[in-house]
Amino acid sequence: GAGVSQSPRYKVAKRGQDVALRCDPISGHVSLFWYQQALGQGPEFLTYFQNEAQLDKSGLPSDRFFAERPEGSVSTLKIQRTQQEDSAVYLCASSIWAGNTGELFFGEGSRLTVL
Amino acid sequence: AQRVTQPEKLLSVFKGAPVELKCNYSYSGSPELFWYVQYSRQRLQLLLRHISRESIKGFTADLNKGETSFHLKKPFAQEEDSAMYYCALGQGGSEKLVFGKGTKLTVNP
Repeated sequence: GAGVSQSPRYKVAKRGQDVALRCDPISGHVSLFWYQQALGQGPEFLTYFQNEAQLDKSGLPSDRFFAERPEGSVSTLKIQRTQQEDSAVYLCASSIWAGNTGELFFGEGSRLTVL
Repeated sequence: AQRVTQPEKLLSVFKGAPVELKCNYSYSGSPELFWYVQYSRQRLQLLLRHISRESIKGFTADLNKGETSFHLKKPFAQEEDSAMYYCALGQGGSEKLVFGKGTKLTVNP
C-alpha cells in the first residue's frame, strides 16, 4: 500500500491482558515514530526508530510499554498488563529523512480500549 | 521544556469569514514549526511548515520568534476547512515532534 498501515484498527482488552499493535511504514522510510493520543488530547510522543535502532524511548510511560523494529521496517508496540489509563489511539508515523525534521506520514491509528 | 499551546479547543466561524488558529510555543533552541490537520475520518497529515513559507489551501502561518507564536490564518474560510488542527514543534536536529492539544475548527454555511 502507499501509506502507513496499522493493525488492528480497534482492540478491546481486559485489564491485565497483553496487547501488540503493528505498524507497517511507507517502504523506504528510515524513521518511525509511535505516538499516543488520549481522548481530546494531541498526540504524545512515545518512541522513535531510525532503521532498526531505537534512538529515543523517553515517552514510553512505563516499563509495561515496549517497542521494536527488528528489521528496520515493520514495528510492533507491545503493552503488557494493560491498565485502563492505557486506553487511547496509538498512532504510528514514518518519515523518509534521518536527522532532519521532515514530514511525518501517519497511519490511521489503533484504538485501544481497556475494560 | 518544550511545549506547544493552542488556547482554543473549539473555533467556529461562518463561511467567507477570516479565521486565525492560535499557537504559542516554548523552546529555547531554534524551533521548527508545523501545522498538521485531521479531516473527518481521515488520518493526520501535514498542512504546512514554517520553513517552506508557502500557502497551502489558502492557509498561511508566520513564525514570530519574539512572541513565540505560529498562528495559522486564512482570509476566507470554506466549509471544507472544518477539521482538527494541531500545531507541532520540532527541535533542531531531532525528528521528534511535540504537538499541541488541537483546535477543532467548524466553518458554518
